[in-house]
Amino acid sequence: QQQVKQSPQSLIVQKGGISIINCAYENTAFDYFPWYQQFPGKGPALLIAIRPDVSEKKEGRFTISFNKSAKQFSLHIMDSQPGDSATYFCAAGGSFQKLVFGTGTRLLVSP
Amino acid sequence: DVKVTQSSRYLVKRTGEKVFLECVQDMDHENMFWYRQDPGLGLRLIYFSYDVKMKEKGDIPEGYSVSREKKERFSLILESASTNQTSMYLCASNKQGPDTQYFGPGTRLTVL
Repeated sequence: QQQVKQSPQSLIVQKGGISIINCAYENTAFDYFPWYQQFPGKGPALLIAIRPDVSEKKEGRFTISFNKSAKQFSLHIMDSQPGDSATYFCAAGGSFQKLVFGTGTRLLVSP
Repeated sequence: DVKVTQSSRYLVKRTGEKVFLECVQDMDHENMFWYRQDPGLGLRLIYFSYDVKMKEKGDIPEGYSVSREKKERFSLILESASTNQTSMYLCASNKQGPDTQYFGPGTRLTVL
């Protein structure tokens, strides 16, 4: 119940394309869904986050879509750029302080 | 800017050695976390602390212990390092609850 399932494990997208990463959760107590971005040699950093009272949140080229009934959320990267090449982690959290992370998606945007 | 620093970027230890990983944050955060990151397994929580001298087990606490004597510092201890503890260790902190966690750069530990 504490798991967050993330797919795909890796993704190759052409420059200018749309990158889509999906996550699913089981625990309905989760009420906070962040996405973290990690570059090689660095720790993860928050990219964008959503709470379940909205179905979509957009920040620049990054959008989270949230489907509460399906217990799924996804990250869309529009107009993907080589600088977006990184590992992306979804996570889920709630009032119990800690986050549960997905297994990560390694994104490569080809020039 | 929030800063989370970890004592070492790379560490090589022998099986059976006692290993200390140190983490310091400068933003007066209540919560601190230790994760290990392994390919295909994502970030797995080892321990976290929500106050000085308080700690809670995460998902994979076996073989590890922690210490938080001061609010800004959270130490991860491997009492007797084993080869299966070779991994990337990440420290994080946040103010409270599900707020943004700020991560350090990580310590890549190799146990031979």
